[in-house]
Amino acid sequence: DTGVSQNPRHKITKRGQNVTFRCDPISEHNRLYWYRQTLGQGPEFLTYFQNEAQLEKSRLLSDRFSAERPKGSFSTLEIQRTEQGDSAMYLCASSLGGVIGTDTQYFGPGTRLTVL
Amino acid sequence: KQEVTQIPAALSVPEGENLVLNCSFTDSAIYNLQWFRQDPGKGLTSLLLIQSSQREQTSGRLNASLDKSSGRSTLYIAASQPGDSATYLCAVREGAQKLVFGQGTRLTINP
Repeated sequence: DTGVSQNPRHKITKRGQNVTFRCDPISEHNRLYWYRQTLGQGPEFLTYFQNEAQLEKSRLLSDRFSAERPKGSFSTLEIQRTEQGDSAMYLCASSLGGVIGTDTQYFGPGTRLTVL
Repeated sequence: KQEVTQIPAALSVPEGENLVLNCSFTDSAIYNLQWFRQDPGKGLTSLLLIQSSQREQTSGRLNASLDKSSGRSTLYIAASQPGDSATYLCAVREGAQKLVFGQGTRLTINP
C-alpha cells in the first residue's frame, strides 16, 4: 500500500499524559498537513509542512501541541498534558506540490485519540 | 474568514435514485474545491477536484460542478447504490496550505 499511513490507529490515554502520533506521507510528496476532526464535524486545519519547514500553524494548535517533520519525510504530532477536549480524530494528509490549483491532498486513515 | 456549508446534513434515498449534494462557501477567492468521501471511523477518500477555472469534473457516476462567483458546488450521484452510503465532505483550498471543510452530508442509500 503506497498511501498515507498513520500510527497508531487508536490511542487511549489519561488526562495529563503526553502522546505522539506518526504520519508517513506518500513517497515524494513534499507537502504534509495535519487536521483534527471531532465527531460530526469536518476536519479543521492544524499545521502544514513544505519539506521539513513548518510554514503555518493554526490558532487551534496551542503551545501543548508540537509537530515536526525531520528530513522532510515522516512527521510526528505530539500533544503534551492531554486534556479531555483533545479527544478527536487526528488526520494527516500529503500532496505532491506544484500548481496549487491541481494539487490534491491525500488523507491517511487517522489516529483516534480518547482522553479519559 | 472562509465558511463552508453543506446542505442537507443527512439524506436517505432508495437505491437507484439520482441525487444532489450541495456545498456553499463565502469567499470566492479559492484555488480549487475537492469532494471527499468518509466511511465511519475512517479517513477521507478524494473523489473529485475542480480547479477554480473549471466548471465541472466527472468520474464514473459522479459529477461535480463549481460556480465560483456564487460560491456554490454540487455533487451529483447517478444511479445510487448501497455502497455509496457514507459521509460526503466538500472542502475549498485557500493558499498553499489548508483546506476548509464543510460539516458533511451523511448519505444513506436504502436497498
